Amino acid sequence: RKEVEQDPGPFNVPEGATVAFNCTYSNSASQSFFWYRQDCRKEPKLLMSVYSSGNEDGRFTAQLNRASQYISLLIRDSKLSDSATYLCVVGGGRRALTFGSGTRLQVQP
Amino acid sequence: DVKVTQSSRYLVKRTGEKVFLECVQDMDHENMFWYRQDPGLGLRLIYFSYDVKMKEKGDIPEGYSVSREKKERFSLILESASTNQTSMYLCASTAPGQLYGYTFGSGTRLTVV
Repeated sequence: RKEVEQDPGPFNVPEGATVAFNCTYSNSASQSFFWYRQDCRKEPKLLMSVYSSGNEDGRFTAQLNRASQYISLLIRDSKLSDSATYLCVVGGGRRALTFGSGTRLQVQP
Repeated sequence: DVKVTQSSRYLVKRTGEKVFLECVQDMDHENMFWYRQDPGLGLRLIYFSYDVKMKEKGDIPEGYSVSREKKERFSLILESASTNQTSMYLCASTAPGQLYGYTFGSGTRLTVV
């Protein structure tokens, strides 16, 4: 079983739609959680950290459910520029982060 | 802003060659990492280092070695390049504690022919 699992997608949504991604992790000792965004042929970039109480950054909302060991990302009012791959990232237990394989989002006009 | 610089954006090497991938960061970060990224497999950790001259194996260290002689520089070495090492290689750095996530370099796309 992979340490961090994501639905690879693609998620094809129209502009203005709300879309949600989920991610599950296997290590219950995990302590840090992030969502990264990766554009085609570019490096991953930190989108947001995920806190236990949930957190919001503009149109993006991240939630953490420690009991069920899953993390979610909600994007409201999708823009064409949101098209990218979203990586779920988990840390804890060792000094390096573990990345999911990513969920591809395609926002269509 | 933290800057992580990888020496080459694209590289083509022959099977059996010794290959050096260089990574330099300018924010005095203790921790540096090398990942490779392949379609369907995501990012996989090769090696990491949390101090000068310190290194730890990641999930797929076979066929690779690393060098960290200075805090700002972390080199990945392919001892004898093989075609299955064709991949995108990503270097990252972070301050201790992982609380702030990584900053990545722009990646090196290596093709071994």
